[in-house]
Amino acid sequence: AQSVTQLDSHVSVSEGTPVLLRCNYSSSYSPSLFWYVQHPNKGLQLLLKYTSAATLVKGINGFEAEFKKSETSFHLTKPSAHMSDAAEYFCVVSGFDKLIFGTGTRLQVFP
Amino acid sequence: NAGVMQNPRHLVRRRGQEARLRCSPMKGHSHVYWYRQLPEEGLKFMVYLQKENIIDESGMPKERFSAEFPKEGPSILRIQQVVRGDSAAYFCASSPIPTLSTDTQYFGPGTRLTVL
Repeated sequence: AQSVTQLDSHVSVSEGTPVLLRCNYSSSYSPSLFWYVQHPNKGLQLLLKYTSAATLVKGINGFEAEFKKSETSFHLTKPSAHMSDAAEYFCVVSGFDKLIFGTGTRLQVFP
Repeated sequence: NAGVMQNPRHLVRRRGQEARLRCSPMKGHSHVYWYRQLPEEGLKFMVYLQKENIIDESGMPKERFSAEFPKEGPSILRIQQVVRGDSAAYFCASSPIPTLSTDTQYFGPGTRLTVL
């Protein structure tokens, strides 16, 4: 069965500093992995996805994630946080016919 | 190409009433998925439909909830005799081919249901 674990429910950073949102996955086969972002009272937007091509995946708004099979991780990073990055971030694994969401990490960005 | 559309965006019902949530997938998408997000939680899969068929309803509560995706028109998620615990955001997603193939699901803006 597929599952994802987001290791931090809240992350706080100062504007201009790096962002690291951690995600570990469990999958019985080669997974497809995604990061989605949800701004307050809004829908979900796809940041990036991994589908067994390059292990370093670049997404929108300067985000990227690295797939590490040996560590079963798919952490999301950004070199320099912006105030507009404040949102809820979901790590997601593709199940047989559905997406399986982590519990989310709320990112706060302080000026 | 318009994105996934959901209406209403906000819905208020009293306990015991019915709630109907509508989802129009992106043009060319024939696969629809419904997810529920309870307060302070991630999204949980409810049901996966293709036109006129329910493919996977393993996430649907056994009672009061039903979903359809008719040949013509939007997909409908119907909740009968709502209770306070049904208050949540309900998101619809669509894809052109099944997620099994790793294609991306595109999400609508959600319907926020409040049960008084």
